[in-house]
Amino acid sequence: GQNIDQPTEMTATEGAIVQINCTYQTSGFNGLFWYQQHAGEAPTFLSYNVLDGLEEKGRFSSFLSRSKGYSYLLLKELQMKDSASYLCASVDSNYQLIWGAGTKLIIKP
Amino acid sequence: DGGITQSPKYLFRKEGQNVTLSCEQNLNHDAMYWYRQDPGQGLRLIYYSQIVNDFQKGDIAEGYSVSREKKESFPLTVTSAQKNPTAFYLCASGGLGGADTQYFGPGTRLTVL
Repeated sequence: GQNIDQPTEMTATEGAIVQINCTYQTSGFNGLFWYQQHAGEAPTFLSYNVLDGLEEKGRFSSFLSRSKGYSYLLLKELQMKDSASYLCASVDSNYQLIWGAGTKLIIKP
Repeated sequence: DGGITQSPKYLFRKEGQNVTLSCEQNLNHDAMYWYRQDPGQGLRLIYYSQIVNDFQKGDIAEGYSVSREKKESFPLTVTSAQKNPTAFYLCASGGLGGADTQYFGPGTRLTVL
């Protein structure tokens, strides 16, 4: 079956660094997305990885290891506005997105 | 401004009534999607469409219906056959290429009383 696993909830301190992990098992693989979703709002695109390695975009970076079926989202210099859910989604062989349940990130002052 | 709009933001209906959720996009995207989001679960695909007058069932299509008469519009009807319709409904659009990014509307929270 197809499965995406990510932690349900994480807590971090303002100004710190946090890493949100995602493991996937899908039929075929055509990349992995990370989205941010504030409560009651639309998910917004953060990153897409299809090749192994780290991609950096400002305070956010995303890493992919295809051989391990593993990705992480790294958030640096955390701000209160980063409090949100972070959704991981794998693209399967039919180019359909398989979504994880999301990781709720709580930022404390 | 380009974007995706969904209306209304909140919707209340009595059990047994059909209800239609609106989704409009002016991004010139070919593909449009409807997802359902429930607490503690990932987004689940209801229906998607890649071209006008054609659409495909997703993982949880039972009790829902859609139409795609115009490229810009992809309304979703939640019928009385849907057993547990209370949820947050998200519409998205994107290109046709492989793993094109999907862009989401603000969502409609449907509560069936």
